[in-house]
Amino acid sequence: DAGITQSPRYKITETGRQVTLMCHQTWSHSYMFWYRQDLGHGLRLIYYSAAADITDKGEVPDGYVVSRSKTENFPLTLESATRSQTSVYFCASGDRGRNNSPLHFGNGTRLTVT
Amino acid sequence: AQSVTQLGSHVSVSEGALVLLRCNYSSSVPPYLFWYVQYPNQGLQLLLKYTTGATLVKGINGFEAEFKKSETSFPLTKPSAHISAAAEYFCAVTYMDSNYQLIWGAGTKLIIKP
Repeated sequence: DAGITQSPRYKITETGRQVTLMCHQTWSHSYMFWYRQDLGHGLRLIYYSAAADITDKGEVPDGYVVSRSKTENFPLTLESATRSQTSVYFCASGDRGRNNSPLHFGNGTRLTVT
Repeated sequence: AQSVTQLGSHVSVSEGALVLLRCNYSSSVPPYLFWYVQYPNQGLQLLLKYTTGATLVKGINGFEAEFKKSETSFPLTKPSAHISAAAEYFCAVTYMDSNYQLIWGAGTKLIIKP
């Protein structure tokens, strides 16, 4: 089925560990995004990518790394997790060239850093 | 700086009553406007969008919104609330030359009273 999938849905990790959140989309959308959602802060953009091998920082990029070697995948890595990175992470994709088509969101990854 | 303001972090209406969720944006250029809905433990889903053309936009689940340029607002309405509409609603805006960067409102949680 076409769509955008995130894995894992839930993750518990310890402070200082590296963790990677996966995102895969089947539409061949050019743009992909990572957001975090926290109470009181709404949605905040971490990183985005306009195409394979093109990435750029969003509002809150510190402590995160992204890569995009293939159009369909956009993993997000926390190199050394901190408690402040406990959050719900959403991946989204979109095809800006199509009359400003909306973003399509995955179901999120709930990450807890202990 | 451009911004989006959603009036009311929580809105409570009785089942069958009119739903009105407010969204104001600050902009000096023509905006593209979106309303998204988020059900518990899910990602965001597009309700409706305004890009150009008719200012009254109809979306899914009986929602509609009107682009009010002179008021820089994009209120979301539903004539008769149903319990299934209980969710969080987000307004977002972007612009033609913004590199697909959406500016998000903080969200409004809609509570339906039986």
